[in-house]
Amino acid sequence: NAGVTQTPKFQVLKTGQSMTLQCAQDMNHEYMSWYRQDPGMGLRLIHYSVGAGITDQGEVPNGYNVSRSTTEDFPLRLLSAAPSQTSVYFCASSGSGLLETQYFGPGTRLLVL
Amino acid sequence: AQKITQTQPGMFVQEKEAVTLDCTYDTSDPSYGLFWYKQPSSGEMIFLIYQGSYDQQNATEGRYSLNFQKARKSANLVISASQLGDSAMYFCAMREGPGAGSYQLTFGKGTKLSVIP
Repeated sequence: NAGVTQTPKFQVLKTGQSMTLQCAQDMNHEYMSWYRQDPGMGLRLIHYSVGAGITDQGEVPNGYNVSRSTTEDFPLRLLSAAPSQTSVYFCASSGSGLLETQYFGPGTRLLVL
Repeated sequence: AQKITQTQPGMFVQEKEAVTLDCTYDTSDPSYGLFWYKQPSSGEMIFLIYQGSYDQQNATEGRYSLNFQKARKSANLVISASQLGDSAMYFCAMREGPGAGSYQLTFGKGTKLSVIP
């Protein structure tokens, strides 16, 4: 059972480069989300989706783009990387109920030089 | 105002002792869920336990229990009989709803627990 998968695990970018962080889940969950984790800040929501074709912004959306063409996949695009985007990125998925557990992927560690 | 507050940046506990990690929350929504996650040094986020706002009894999962005090808006995690493997960051999180944005989790800044042999 794969659960939530993320690729790549590590990435180094130069300022101004673009890239896509991949996220996939095999649990048929409607809800998917992207968080970033910075030291001392906990996890902060970037974007989320409540189903295919529906996305919305979270707390820190600037500089990131998402789309949800299928239930399984929810890629996160960095349009023009900046050093401030150096972080660990987590993708998560869950069912749509209030008490549904969010399951997290293993994370992607991104360094922007 | 912060929605989730974890006031203990770091804590130490002796192996086999119990420990309480504090979490207070702020919401005006009558329907919400409170969750605890563990993040070991390897980095993954591991779900531990949850409590719904309408649940009458405190949630328990093995050695984990959630001390839910609704009037005080607190949802403390209690770990009984601490083990060395419990050394990790612990995050409290809340999900409000229903309504717009009701699927998102809001996290506290975490508490780093160190278990001493």
